[in-house]
Amino acid sequence: GDSVTQMEGPVTLSEEACLTINCTYTATGYPSLFWYVQYPGEGLQLLLKATKADDKGSNKGFEATYRKETTSFHLEKGSVQVSDSAVYFCALTVYAGNNRKLIWGLGTSLAVNP
Amino acid sequence: NAGVTQTPKFQVLKTGQSMTLQCAQDMNHEYMSWYRQDPGMGLRLIHYSVGAGITDQGEVPNGYNVSRSTTEDFPLRLLSAAPSQTSVYFCASSYFTGDGGYTFGSGTRLTVV
Repeated sequence: GDSVTQMEGPVTLSEEACLTINCTYTATGYPSLFWYVQYPGEGLQLLLKATKADDKGSNKGFEATYRKETTSFHLEKGSVQVSDSAVYFCALTVYAGNNRKLIWGLGTSLAVNP
Repeated sequence: NAGVTQTPKFQVLKTGQSMTLQCAQDMNHEYMSWYRQDPGMGLRLIHYSVGAGITDQGEVPNGYNVSRSTTEDFPLRLLSAAPSQTSVYFCASSYFTGDGGYTFGSGTRLTVV
């Protein structure tokens, strides 16, 4: 069935380090892919998205490229800040006729130390 | 500000009590949904709606009811609270296609004692 697998956390980095959070998926058809971020005590916010193969989503210095050949959508940032400390969720949307299903990864916690 | 508004932010219930979690959005989104978030289990879909008058079950619907009488509102009712329903609840909405992503409320932290 459809699924999303994220690397397990927590991930701990120093400020200005490079970040990669791996996300791979299995899905029938042509899903849209998303990264959401959840800051402590808040709801989830859409960080970036890609709706077709080879699309690159980007926002706030984060990037992810829709790789159909490797069924991946890894989240990257070149230089993290303390304010990036949060939980990051990978997700995909699949369609079957008129039905839409959103599949979530379990989330990866990121802590950035000054 | 446009968005999803959830109330209350915190609630403590005794086992067997009932309550309603409120969710309202002002973006004219067709699709609304309720999730619960538990440690180590990610987000699990409780109920969803694709428009006024239309609701359907998600993966963990037992013990919860919903209705959608207007486009804006999608309340979640706990019929008889149980400790297993202690969780953080999120309401989320989107346009029907979903490709623009979801907008989430700030959550309701519920404790059942």
